[in-house]
Amino acid sequence: DAGITQSPRYKITETGRQVTLMCHQTWSHSYMFWYRQDLGHGLRLIYYSAAADITDKGEVPDGYVVSRSKTENFPLTLESATRSQTSVYFCASSRSVSSGNTIYFGEGSWLTVV
Amino acid sequence: AQKITQTQPGMFVQEKEAVTLDCTYDTSDPSYGLFWYKQPSSGEMIFLIYQGSYDQQNATEGRYSLNFQKARKSANLVISASQLGDSAMYFCAMRGRETSYDKVIFGPGTSLSVIP
Repeated sequence: DAGITQSPRYKITETGRQVTLMCHQTWSHSYMFWYRQDLGHGLRLIYYSAAADITDKGEVPDGYVVSRSKTENFPLTLESATRSQTSVYFCASSRSVSSGNTIYFGEGSWLTVV
Repeated sequence: AQKITQTQPGMFVQEKEAVTLDCTYDTSDPSYGLFWYKQPSSGEMIFLIYQGSYDQQNATEGRYSLNFQKARKSANLVISASQLGDSAMYFCAMRGRETSYDKVIFGPGTSLSVIP
């Protein structure tokens, strides 16, 4: 029962570097989401995906890139990291609406950009 | 655009008392869902309760109930008989469509502190 896993859990990187956060789920959920959590803002949606090869922008997509070539994986890439991207990143997944609505979260990835 | 508002940044409640956490939302999608999640200091996101926009009755899960007022676009969480372990951040969320697919957005959260 692996569920949804994120890696790395903790990362320190330098401004300007490319960073990829990985997200893997074992349930074959169709939907996957990436959020960032910052004090005072709650969780803000970066990108989401309804199925393999279907992705769309969320509330704060600038500076991020996603892909979903396989149902179980949804990596998030910071193309050129900035200090403002220091945050806690949560990946989440769920079935389609008709099959159930609970959203399952990973444990989070703590990213610091110095 | 879809939006979730939680106007209470912080709340205090006496142990064993009931508390209501406010949530209002905005969407043009007639079919949507509303969630509440709890985030303790350890950081994990814990699902509490779900209400569908077409559900006739308010959702309940143990000590949690969702006071759904569709016309007012509000989905307040009621916690009865508060316990010390209820101290946490609470997030209201909404699932709905602006394009062909669902997205899920969250409010800024309410920090609840339960006082012995």
